[in-house]
Amino acid sequence: NAGVTQTPKFRILKIGQSMTLQCTQDMNHNYMYWYRQDPGMGLKLIYYSVGAGITDKGEVPNGYNVSRSTTEDFPLRLELAAPSQTSVYFCASSYSGKGGYTFGSGTRLTVV
Amino acid sequence: EDQVTQSPEALRLQEGESSSLNCSYTVSGLRGLFWYRQDPGKGPEFLFTLYSAGEEKEKERLKATLTKKESFLHITAPKPEDSATYLCAVVGDSGGYQKVTFGIGTKLQVIP
Repeated sequence: NAGVTQTPKFRILKIGQSMTLQCTQDMNHNYMYWYRQDPGMGLKLIYYSVGAGITDKGEVPNGYNVSRSTTEDFPLRLELAAPSQTSVYFCASSYSGKGGYTFGSGTRLTVV
Repeated sequence: EDQVTQSPEALRLQEGESSSLNCSYTVSGLRGLFWYRQDPGKGPEFLFTLYSAGEEKEKERLKATLTKKESFLHITAPKPEDSATYLCAVVGDSGGYQKVTFGIGTKLQVIP
């Protein structure tokens, strides 16, 4: 099983550029999440989805957008990248939505 | 607001030297407390879920316990491969299961 696959692993963006972080899971999980992890801070929830076609904001959604057209895919879109979006981004999924997430290996994004 | 405080921030142990990591939490109506392991450059890996005070879970050299105010992750006779950052997270009644509060983690180094 591949689990949760994130691409790319690394990316450098210039201020104002846009990009999409890809996330795919092969476990048929309904619940999917996007987190960011910054040094000295706990993981922060950006957006989540409880199933195809359903998404909702997390704690830090500003500057991001998501879509969920299939159960497998949950891409995160960054519009007009800013230095504050420099972070490591993790996608996660869950069968029950009650914790015990499976995380991807992350995307390290630098905005310069 | 739910809060999680992990201590110590970093811990260095000799191989075979048992110790404990602490996770203190403040939450309104605990629904679950989670422990994850995170290796450098990787996403968190789920270890345990604890639901109520007095509950214990074990996996190899790791044992997690829970009281009404804190959780401990006991590491018995650690090996160098146990070196990682250990994250604690809680879910409470406010905000539902999507509102997971993560701690910053304890970075454990086990020296041969």
